[in-house]
Amino acid sequence: DTGVSQNPRHKITKRGQNVTFRCDPISEHNRLYWYRQTLGQGPEFLTYFQNEAQLEKSRLLSDRFSAERPKGSFSTLEIQRTEQGDSAMYLCASSQQGSSNQPQHFGDGTRLSIL
Amino acid sequence: AQSVAQPEDQVNVAEGNPLTVKCTYSVSGNPYLFWYVQYPNRGLQFLLKYITGDNLVKGSYGFEAEFNKSQTSFHLKKPSALVSDSALYFCAVRDYDNQGGKLIFGQGTELSVKP
Repeated sequence: DTGVSQNPRHKITKRGQNVTFRCDPISEHNRLYWYRQTLGQGPEFLTYFQNEAQLEKSRLLSDRFSAERPKGSFSTLEIQRTEQGDSAMYLCASSQQGSSNQPQHFGDGTRLSIL
Repeated sequence: AQSVAQPEDQVNVAEGNPLTVKCTYSVSGNPYLFWYVQYPNRGLQFLLKYITGDNLVKGSYGFEAEFNKSQTSFHLKKPSALVSDSALYFCAVRDYDNQGGKLIFGQGTELSVKP
């Protein structure tokens, strides 16, 4: 399967700890997106990369959040000093440049639970 | 600002009956609209999109959607529902003010198909 891959699938951690998630996009896709989804809500945009450049960050992305895509392939999302409110599903999506109308393909997400 | 509304939190249909999941949108320019489906503990799967052209768009798994510009609607339809169609459905619009093509999602509609 050559879809979007996210690891880990589940993460349980204590409040105040740091966590890091990884996303491997579809190989030929140069756009990569992170979204956050809380229970009963639709996904909300966090940040977006085109190749290795982070081109936009949502106001939802506080200073405790950082994302990287160092070689324009996989991406990591780190949350420092986690808080209860960070509990959510973190979704990664990728798409191909050329037209912003290309559909985004999503991974299965990382579910974060803060104790 | 762009927005999407899914007025129904839940839709219940009997297997074999037609189904409709409603979506209305608000955009500042030409709308680029998408439907995704989400199964429990999974990411979002792309179903179909409307960019331009015919108002009736056909997608995966027998789903179709009807674009209505005057009513600013993009309802998802299927002539004959299956129990396996039971899932969470999200309508999304591309953020027109954003070159990266981030998506703005509705809150989702839970579809339940009973045998």
